[in-house]
Amino acid sequence: AIVLNQSPSSIVASQGEKVTITCRASSSISSNYLHWYQQKPGAFPKLVIYSTSYRASGIPSRFSGSGSGTSYSFTISRVEAEDVATYYCQQGSSNPKFTFGSGTKLEIK
Amino acid sequence: EVQLVETGGGLVQPGRSLKLSCVASGFTFNNYWMSWTRQAPGKGLEWVASITNSGGSTYYPDSVKGRFTISRDNAQNTLYLQMNSLRSEDTATYYCTREGPGNWGQGTLVTVSS
Repeated sequence: AIVLNQSPSSIVASQGEKVTITCRASSSISSNYLHWYQQKPGAFPKLVIYSTSYRASGIPSRFSGSGSGTSYSFTISRVEAEDVATYYCQQGSSNPKFTFGSGTKLEIK
Repeated sequence: EVQLVETGGGLVQPGRSLKLSCVASGFTFNNYWMSWTRQAPGKGLEWVASITNSGGSTYYPDSVKGRFTISRDNAQNTLYLQMNSLRSEDTATYYCTREGPGNWGQGTLVTVSS
């Protein structure tokens, strides 16, 4: 199974700050199948970025993604208070056995 | 609009069984693979089971293989997860998901405890 190593496990940022999360796969995956989710407490995961770099419907432009092969990243260019959540990467390249990163908890100072 | 509504969660004793259901709407159900993903309280996300659009093939991680069975009724637009020999570590919110990113239900909580 493809393992996704996500880092850091937590981030404390100030509003307006840029934050970046990385997701490294144990073997190469297709960029078409690397996605990022945002999960707020008590809610189901919400798709933010799909296929490495495409913003899901209604997602603000401050969210972006990039990467290829085994290395992917997710960036919030200017963090806002409403972005407090846990973020997960997910790969579907080894369909049907898809896997998730361990999550990054974002908090605001 | 894709809608996935899970039901069937609750409190169950270790070793007992429980069956979850997921009613789908807003898309042609029998065109898509379906899956279950779970999240233990305060923990990350774990894929639990997948089934092809016809129901002819199923897939599981080792953690549930032999205990959980995924199935579907395409006539009723419904996905199922039969969970047997439940353990405390199966305590989680179980989400029904459709093939393709971003299609999740609200989840149903399963608590395994005596």
